Amino acid sequence: DAMVIQNPRYQVTQFGKPVTLSCSQTLNHNVMYWYQQKSSQAPKLLFHYYDKDFNNEADTPDNFQSRRPNTSFCFLDIRSPGLGDAAMYLCATSRAKGGAAYNEQFFGPGTRLTVL
Amino acid sequence: SQQGEEDPQALSIQEGENATMNCSYKTSINNLQWYRQNSGRGLVHLILIRSNEREKHSGRLRVTLDTSKKSSSLLITASRAADTASYFCATDLREGYNKLIFGAGTRLAVHP
Repeated sequence: DAMVIQNPRYQVTQFGKPVTLSCSQTLNHNVMYWYQQKSSQAPKLLFHYYDKDFNNEADTPDNFQSRRPNTSFCFLDIRSPGLGDAAMYLCATSRAKGGAAYNEQFFGPGTRLTVL
Repeated sequence: SQQGEEDPQALSIQEGENATMNCSYKTSINNLQWYRQNSGRGLVHLILIRSNEREKHSGRLRVTLDTSKKSSSLLITASRAADTASYFCATDLREGYNKLIFGAGTRLAVHP
């Protein structure tokens, strides 16, 4: 089945130690998103890629970076994790073509990040 | 800033009862979507309603949209224990490709 896959599902890192979360998709969607979701809160968009075009949200800290080497894969890099970065990180995809939006987003299961 | 505000924050009902969740938003939208999230999992898309639509149905789900009041409601009829989850509304502000802004969600508990 076509899907969005996130690895690992659980990640533990130390304060200040760089960490990378990965997302892959078999849907061949051209838009990929990264969200941060803290406990009992709304998912908050960090950034997204429209094909290779990177779009950063204005309030996303510089500590968060992303890479999209090809259509299928997208990575979230946290350069120096702080205790406040402990959260669920959700990857999502959607398909957009020629100005017509197929608006549903497809989410992966998330990676829960713990910072010690 | 958060676009959607949902109420109630938490809802507890018995199986077979209907559950109604409300969402209010601040700015004009292209469409509004509802998503479901089981504990510790990703979100699953339930239903989308466009700004020129007033009501939409999907199985046991009914969504209404009132653009004059900038509000939407999600009704789940004949609820089941398996409906226990958090429900989020998300507003999509423009055409082209979607960039969703999520509300804080309603935590629904359906008791057998």
